[in-house]
Amino acid sequence: SQELEQSPQSLIVQEGKNLTINCTSSKTLYGLYWYKQKYGEGLIFLMMLQKGGEEKSHEKITAKLDEKKQQSSLHITASQPSHAGIYLCGADFLRDDKIIFGKGTRLHILP
Amino acid sequence: NAGVTQTPKFRVLKTGQSMTLLCAQDMNHEYMYWYRQDPGMGLRLIHYSVGEGTTAKGEVPDGYNVSRLKKQNFLLGLESAAPSQTSVYFCASTGTGAIFYEQYFGPGTRLTVT
Repeated sequence: SQELEQSPQSLIVQEGKNLTINCTSSKTLYGLYWYKQKYGEGLIFLMMLQKGGEEKSHEKITAKLDEKKQQSSLHITASQPSHAGIYLCGADFLRDDKIIFGKGTRLHILP
Repeated sequence: NAGVTQTPKFRVLKTGQSMTLLCAQDMNHEYMYWYRQDPGMGLRLIHYSVGEGTTAKGEVPDGYNVSRLKKQNFLLGLESAAPSQTSVYFCASTGTGAIFYEQYFGPGTRLTVT
């Protein structure tokens, strides 16, 4: 969707390095979701952010939502091979029961 | 609980053929969704349902029909398949009050139309 832009489209990092994926919205959103997809499989929910300035962490993954609720970042610390996959952000814009997804970021981890 | 299941996992169709993809969930979820995923295009919403007997159009509904006769099942139909419908199809469901709830995804159906 053009309403959500993810960057970068693809990322290759050395194991142990930190990385950041960004998700930018063209308008204010009500909820921001991060999902991970292993290659060839379905999506797994990671985190959901609702409030401006909110930050959540799960293991080595941290997600933040800016104060204006138009930009989110996903940060992985000390990356591992298990972090490889496609990361997608999704947004709920209109409280109308559906989520619009970005195009995803492909993450490769080099051993 | 099986979660969200999809049938079939793989399918090859010839142009003009029809088929139905079945999505089933055992979590008593009100909301169900059909997405397609294409390289470089991310995940796009085809149709969705907010409850038994209801359906609504998503971002890319043309060429598809859906039905939600039972709460646990959401069917996606292709009446006359076209090569442009070659894709991986994902079904998802979420609980009542879908806003801010996580969606549970099925494993996907890989469809090729020749």
